[in-house]
Parts: sequence; C-alpha cells; structure tokens
Amino acid sequence: GQNIDQPTEMTATEGAIVQINCTYQTSGFNGLFWYQQHAGEAPTFLSYNVLDGLEEKGRFSSFLSRSKGYSYLLLKELQMKDSASYLCAVVDSNYQLIWGAGTKLIIKP
Amino acid sequence: GAGVSQTPSNKVTEKGKYVELRCDPISGHTALYWYRQSLGQGPEFLIYFQGTGAADDSGLPNDRFFAVRPEGSVSTLKIQRTERGDSAVYLCASSPTGGVAEAFFGQGTRLTVV
Repeated sequence: GQNIDQPTEMTATEGAIVQINCTYQTSGFNGLFWYQQHAGEAPTFLSYNVLDGLEEKGRFSSFLSRSKGYSYLLLKELQMKDSASYLCAVVDSNYQLIWGAGTKLIIKP
Repeated sequence: GAGVSQTPSNKVTEKGKYVELRCDPISGHTALYWYRQSLGQGPEFLIYFQGTGAADDSGLPNDRFFAVRPEGSVSTLKIQRTERGDSAVYLCASSPTGGVAEAFFGQGTRLTVV
C-alpha cells in the first residue's frame, strides 16, 4: 500500500528553527509537495521537490532524498503566524497526490 | 475568478437527504480535483477531472457519490442519501494542467449530516 508518515504534532519557540520530517512509500514517485494549512482554511502551496537536495525559499527550505524515501521541511526564524498544519504529499506513478495526515506545529512565545 | 471558489461554505443536512456542493475553479485551469478532509487528517482523494471528463474517480467511496463538470469549468459534487459518516470538509482544487502541477485549493465546504 501507499503510506506517508509525518509526526502528528510538534512544538517550537518563536524565533527558533524547526524541522518537520516526512517519510513515504508509494507506487512510483513524481515529486513531493509541502503545503501549509491554517485551521479552518485551505492548504496553500509551500514547495515542490523532484530532485534530491535542498530547495530554499526565504525562511522555508525543503529537502528530498529519493533513495531514502525521505523529505523534510525546515522553518527558520519562526513566527507566531507559522502555527499551522504542514502537509506532505507525494505524486505517485499515476500522477495522483498521496497525502500525509499533516503535522500540527505549535509556536510558543 | 481570482481563486477557487466553493459554495456553500457550510451545509447542514439531515441523514438521508441529497446535497450538491459546487466548485468554481480558477479560470483556464483544466484539471480539477475533489478531496474530503476529516479533522486531523490529510485530504483524501475523491475524483479528478481533466476538462469535462472524469480521468480518475477511484476515490469515490461508493455509488452515493457522483461528480460532474459538464462544460469543463464549474464542477458539482453530488451526494445521495447522506450518512453521518459523510460529515467532513470537502475541498476542491484546480491546476493549470494535469500531471504534476501546483494545485490551488478552495476554502472548502463543511458538510455536517445530522
């Protein structure tokens, strides 16, 4: 079967750095997305990785290792508004998005 | 429009009733997706349209669920004989093409079956 694993919840301090991990087992791989979802709102796009390595975009970076079936989202200089759920989603061989359950990130002052 | 629009934003219905949920995708986007999301879970795929045709409806849970996109833009998700287990947020997303592309999500319709 297809499986995406992420921690259920993480807590971090304002101004700090946090890394949210995602491991996956899917039928084929055509890229990995990270989305941010605030409570009661729609998911919004953060990043897309298809090749191994680190993609940096401002305070957010995303890393992919296809051989390990592993990705992480790195958030720097955390702000209170970063409190949200972070969803990992993999594009499988049928070009469908397989979603993880999301990681709820709580930022404390 | 500027973004993906879903109506209604909230729908409360009685068990056994029929409901329709509407999605207006971003103009020009050929791909349209319906997902269902329960609290604390990621989106669960229901159906994918490429243009007017359902390219993949393998996520529809049973024959009570049906979706159409007759003109390749607006889509309607139809649920017959609703059950309490159908209660969830129904999300619609569109993207410029199929394949691998960033999907833009609507705000969702929160369906509550009582």
